[in-house]
Amino acid sequence: GQQLNQSPQSMFIQEGEDVSMNCTSSSIFNTWLWYKQDPGEGPVLLIALYKAGELTSNGRLTAQFGITRKDSFLNISASIPSDVGIYFCAGQGTNAGNMLTFGGGTRLMVKP
Amino acid sequence: SQTIHQWPATLVQPVGSPLSLECTVEGTSNPNLYWYRQAAGRGLQLLFYSVGIGQISSEVPQNLSASRPQDRQFILSSKKLLLSDSGFYLCAWGSTDTQYFGPGTRLTVL
Repeated sequence: GQQLNQSPQSMFIQEGEDVSMNCTSSSIFNTWLWYKQDPGEGPVLLIALYKAGELTSNGRLTAQFGITRKDSFLNISASIPSDVGIYFCAGQGTNAGNMLTFGGGTRLMVKP
Repeated sequence: SQTIHQWPATLVQPVGSPLSLECTVEGTSNPNLYWYRQAAGRGLQLLFYSVGIGQISSEVPQNLSASRPQDRQFILSSKKLLLSDSGFYLCAWGSTDTQYFGPGTRLTVL
C-alpha cells in the first residue's frame, strides 16, 4: 500500500540537542498525526494537525502541516533521555474507514 | 475518557494452533476499530478495520480473520498460526480524524 517517506530512519543525539524529523508524500492529506512508541507499548498520539500551514506545539514538541498538504515535520527541542523511542508520522486522506497511512518511523536515541 | 484494552499482553503459541486476540474500547460509541501488525523494528501494517458491528474490511489477505460481535469489541483470529504470524498486534479505535492505540499483544509463534 501507499507509504509515507519518513526521515531520518534513526538518530543518535546528545541530551539537550534539538531534533527534527519529517514526512513526505506524493498524495495530499487532510490530517497529519505524529505518534511516539516506547518499546513494547502502543503508539501514543503526540500532535494532530488538521489545516495546511498549521503549526502546533505540545511542550517541547512542535509540528507543522505543510502548505502543500504533502508533508509534515516534527521538532523536539532540548532533548532528554525519555524522548527515546520511535516516532511515526501518519496521514489521513479521504477514504472509507478513515484509514491512516504511516511512515516507516524514526528511531531516536539520546545519550545522557 | 476513552480507554482501549487488549489481551492477552503476551502469547506464545505453536505453529498450527488457533489464535484469538481481543480488543475492547470504553467511553465511546460506534467507533471505527482497527487491527495492525508490527514486525520487530518495523512500521505498522493495517490488517483489518471495522466501521460497525459485523462490518469487517480486510487490507491484507492472509490466514487471519477479524470479527466485531459488539459495538466496542474487536477480535482477531486464526484457525492455524504460521511462523510468519509472529509480531506485535495493535488494536486502535478512531474518530473521524485520529486514531488511538491499545497497549498491544506480543505474539510469538514457535
